[in-house]
Amino acid sequence: AQTVTQSQPEMSVQEAETVTLSCTYDTSESDYYLFWYKQPPSRQMILVIRQEAYKQQNATENRFSVNFQKAAKSFSLKISDSQLGDAAMYFCAYRSAPGNTPLVFGKGTRLSVIA
Amino acid sequence: NAGVTQTPKFQVLKTGQSMTLQCAQDMNHEYMSWYRQDPGMGLRLIHYSVGAGITDQGEVPNGYNVSRSTTEDFPLRLLSAAPSQTSVYFCATGSGGTSTDTQYFGPGTRLTVL
Repeated sequence: AQTVTQSQPEMSVQEAETVTLSCTYDTSESDYYLFWYKQPPSRQMILVIRQEAYKQQNATENRFSVNFQKAAKSFSLKISDSQLGDAAMYFCAYRSAPGNTPLVFGKGTRLSVIA
Repeated sequence: NAGVTQTPKFQVLKTGQSMTLQCAQDMNHEYMSWYRQDPGMGLRLIHYSVGAGITDQGEVPNGYNVSRSTTEDFPLRLLSAAPSQTSVYFCATGSGGTSTDTQYFGPGTRLTVL
């Protein structure tokens, strides 16, 4: 079974600075997808960024980018120019491919942004 | 287009009571799933369905039943609620198995079992 580990329960960052959230996973599969979800206090789950395992290029969405190291099974999220609205729980998630398969989540990292 | 809706938003039960958490989607998605979120535990899969008439167990299925009679609805039943089922419950849906498939989450139901 696949597992996802987020080793940082809490992180903090100064506004406008950069922060990196860590995620490692364990799988024997070669084809899969990785995701970062944001959960603000509203509780809504919001997709931040996704990465296909077969793509070597790291995904980027505006201020959010990932460092995907397939051999190391590492998938970190970098948030640049942090904003107060980035404060939230962040979950790393794994999904097998292809087909309709469930997400496997890490336990989350709570990010605080300091003004 | 409402997306994924969950009802109720909040619920308090007494131990031993039964109830059904509702999940409905209007996106014609084949895949639907239920997760529970507990502090420090992330989201854990309870049950999921890849289409009407098909369901399967996830990581923590005990104490929960599901059925999928229509594409739109995927109710989660607690037959005899226990305090250990106090949690926030999320329903999620997805359109397919490709990398572009985004799983959409409902707003969640906070359940307290006394």
